[in-house]
Amino acid sequence: LAKTTQPISMDSYEGQEVNITCSHNNIATNDYITWYQQFPSQGPRFIIQGYKTKVTNEVASLFIPADRKSSTLSLPRVSLSDTAVYYCLVFNAGNMLTFGGGTRLMVKP
Amino acid sequence: DTGVSQDPRHKITKRGQNVTFRCDPISEHNRLYWYRQTLGQGPEFLTYFQNEAQLEKSRLLSDRFSAERPKGSFSTLEIQRTEQGDSAMYLCASSRPGGERLNNEQFFGPGTRLTVL
Repeated sequence: LAKTTQPISMDSYEGQEVNITCSHNNIATNDYITWYQQFPSQGPRFIIQGYKTKVTNEVASLFIPADRKSSTLSLPRVSLSDTAVYYCLVFNAGNMLTFGGGTRLMVKP
Repeated sequence: DTGVSQDPRHKITKRGQNVTFRCDPISEHNRLYWYRQTLGQGPEFLTYFQNEAQLEKSRLLSDRFSAERPKGSFSTLEIQRTEQGDSAMYLCASSRPGGERLNNEQFFGPGTRLTVL
């Protein structure tokens, strides 16, 4: 399974754009990149998934360079409610999600 | 609410006792997963069902742990002879069936927080 590395924590202010980068140097051809969000005392929630280039949904954008060895989750204009832990996962045809320690995002007023 | 539900939300037990948790997945989801999460860590995969068949088990799932999904709907996770190290949040997730290359979004329940005294 491809190992992921992401910052342990990040701080931001309301209204700013936040970019969280994840490294996955040994990603395999069949692997997808998936991001989940988790609030305290809740289960993780799917945010976005991609294979290459750029993916955008109503919540976030995911940028994946051509070599796919990293990815960047972009959260536009964060609010206090975006304070959470964000997990980057690399997923293949199997069904087991392997979570790392995640990035603790703190959004300040 | 048609999300994943788990019961109980909290459980406090004494070391050596048995505990059982229940998970009700989203009704049309045939895949069900159990994870364990300790404080400050990401969730760790325990086991996975497709319908009633248990297809994968992590090495974390010791002999004291057993999971069932008898009719392919709800699932139970039992821990026998609990130990203090079993204290954690136990999360259940479900997903729709999909193809080999598709990472089906997993919908997580709120979890059951177990405290073993």
